[in-house]
Amino acid sequence: GAGVSQSPSNKVTEKGKDVELRCDPISGHTALYWYRQSLGQGLEFLIYFQGNSAPDKSGLPSDRFSAERTGGSVSTLTIQRTQQEDSAVYLCASSPGTSGLAKNIQYFGAGTRLSVL
Amino acid sequence: SQKIEQNSEALNIQEGKTATLTCNYTNYSPAYLQWYRQDPGRGPVFLLLIRENEKEKRKERLKVTFDTTLKQSLFHITASQPADSATYLCALGRAYGGSQGNLIFGKGTKLSVKP
Repeated sequence: GAGVSQSPSNKVTEKGKDVELRCDPISGHTALYWYRQSLGQGLEFLIYFQGNSAPDKSGLPSDRFSAERTGGSVSTLTIQRTQQEDSAVYLCASSPGTSGLAKNIQYFGAGTRLSVL
Repeated sequence: SQKIEQNSEALNIQEGKTATLTCNYTNYSPAYLQWYRQDPGRGPVFLLLIRENEKEKRKERLKVTFDTTLKQSLFHITASQPADSATYLCALGRAYGGSQGNLIFGKGTKLSVKP
């Protein structure tokens, strides 16, 4: 499809394990975002990629969290040594990033539900 | 620090009535504001964007107002239907630069429309 794709849709892991979450943005979108959403809570910004610029990592909660975006397309969010408090839905979004205010409209994937036991 | 508040966590209304959701902000001067809808188990979906120099924007049964003096946006759904039940998020944006990809989200208001 033409939308943002995230995988896996669900991930159950044991405390202390590393996990990788994948995001395939809409083709041609230069901006990519990761958010975290805990049950009943709003969107917590994690990291933002725009083209070839250095990513804005200001929302990453600890150094256990990292993300990369290869070739300006697919992105992977990695959480090392997972903790129970990392359990949440991780959402990825992309936006056109070109001229005009429409560049900042974000298109979201369905998210990855992470459960750390 | 910047703060966004959506008037209530939950709003219950009767089918056919107009739903009004509120988004207030402080310590921020957004160039535009967006509203999104989120259904359970899904990511948010963009609904409307309104610029700082626009007072009102409409799309079918939806209407958004933006008052930069009051630092407030109102989101209206007229002739509401049970299918409108969802969580609605407001998001404030800058025109240029800024962190967080130029967009800051509120926590959302869960709307329930009863038949």
